[in-house]
Amino acid sequence: GNSVTQMEGPVTLSEEAFLTINCTYTATGYPSLFWYVQYPGEGLQLLLKATKADDKGSNKGFEATYRKETTSFHLEKGSVQVSDSAVYFCALSDRNTGFQKLVFGTGTRLLVSP
Amino acid sequence: SQTIHQWPATLVQPVGSPLSLECTVEGTSNPNLYWYRQAAGRGLQLLFYSVGIGQISSEVPQNLSASRPQDRQFILSSKKLLLSDSGFYLCAWSRENQPQHFGDGTRLSIL
Repeated sequence: GNSVTQMEGPVTLSEEAFLTINCTYTATGYPSLFWYVQYPGEGLQLLLKATKADDKGSNKGFEATYRKETTSFHLEKGSVQVSDSAVYFCALSDRNTGFQKLVFGTGTRLLVSP
Repeated sequence: SQTIHQWPATLVQPVGSPLSLECTVEGTSNPNLYWYRQAAGRGLQLLFYSVGIGQISSEVPQNLSASRPQDRQFILSSKKLLLSDSGFYLCAWSRENQPQHFGDGTRLSIL
């Protein structure tokens, strides 16, 4: 079945450091890939997405590239801020199901200190 | 624009009591609706989804049930809560193959 694997957290960084959160997936068909962010006490917000191989999703300085050859969708940001502290979820949606059912990774907590 | 509302935001219930969490969506019609649970320190687990009024699909066997009495209303229920039902419950909606949009969640604590 479909699955998403994320790096274990927490990831602890100083402000302005470079961020990478790894995500790899297993899927049949041609999935769409997503990163969601959850700030403390809130629901999930869509951060970025990519729908086909080599697509790059970007938003708020975050980027992720859909790599079919390595089945990866790593999240990156060049300079993190304290306000980026949150839990980040990688997810996939397999369009072959005919219905959008998201499969989530376990989430990676990011802590950014001043 | 579309909005999604969940309530209550926080709920503390004794073991064995009933449960009703409500989710409504505004600004769209015939959305796909979802209930997820996020247990402490774990990822999101899809509990139920619905493609239309009265149409509910369950992803995992459990102590919970869902109903969709109106097009944009999705309710999560239980007749008797268990300790293991504690968690953060999230409702979401989507159209066709568009990304899902989440509510702010309900934190449920069972005593």
